[in-house]
Amino acid sequence: DAGITQSPRHKVTETGTPVTLRCHQTENHRYMYWYRQDPGHGLRLIHYSYGVKDTDKGEVSDGYSVSRSKTEDFLLTLESATSSQTSVYFCAISESYGGAGNTIYFGEGSWLTVV
Amino acid sequence: GQQVMQIPQYQHVQEGEDFTTYCNSSTTLSNIQWYKQRPGGHPVFLIQLVKSGEVKKQKRLTFQFGEAKKNSSLHITATQTTDVGTYFCAAGGSYIPTFGRGTSLIVHP
Repeated sequence: DAGITQSPRHKVTETGTPVTLRCHQTENHRYMYWYRQDPGHGLRLIHYSYGVKDTDKGEVSDGYSVSRSKTEDFLLTLESATSSQTSVYFCAISESYGGAGNTIYFGEGSWLTVV
Repeated sequence: GQQVMQIPQYQHVQEGEDFTTYCNSSTTLSNIQWYKQRPGGHPVFLIQLVKSGEVKKQKRLTFQFGEAKKNSSLHITATQTTDVGTYFCAAGGSYIPTFGRGTSLIVHP
C-alpha cells in the first residue's frame, strides 16, 4: 500500500463544531484528493490539490475547505459540521493528474459522525 | 465533467456463478481504471485500459474496453467469497477522473 496516513480514523463530533481531517503522504506525489463516500453515491470528490497551495473544488465542496502548506500534507476542514457531513472520508494521491491514467492510491479512510 | 453510469448497483450471486459489472459513458474516454473496495476497506487499483477494444485478464477477472472507448466491463468467472466487495470504474479523459457509483458484489456460499 502507498504511504498514506489519515487522522483521525474515527471521530464523533457535535453539530456546529469545526473538524479537521489530516492526510499525510510519504510518496512525494503531486496530486492529493479528498473524497467522501456515502451509500448509493459512490466516491464524490470534495477538493483536490495539484501542488503546494494549489487547490480546487470538486463536485461536493460546499461546507468544506482545504489547505496544503507542504507537499506531504493535505488538510480537510469542516468549518461547522452538520449531520449531512456524516460520512467516510478518503484521502487519495496520484503522481500526476488522475485523468491522464495515473493510478490513484487511497488512504484507509476517516469515519466521521456528526451528532 | 464526465459522467459515467455503472450498473448494476448491487449483484447477489451464488458462489461459483459468474458476475459482470458495466461502466458506460456518453463521451469518449482516454482511459478507464477499475478499483476494488473490500467491505470496511479502501479502494484499491486493479487495472487500467487505454486502447480501443482492449481486453486484459487477471486470473478469473476479465476487463474489456469498448471499441468506441465509451464503455467497459469487468467480468468475474466462478465467483468466490473473496470476490466480495464494491467494484468501481474511474473514467479518464478530463483533468480529474470520474468514478462510477460502484457495483457491490455479494457472494452467497
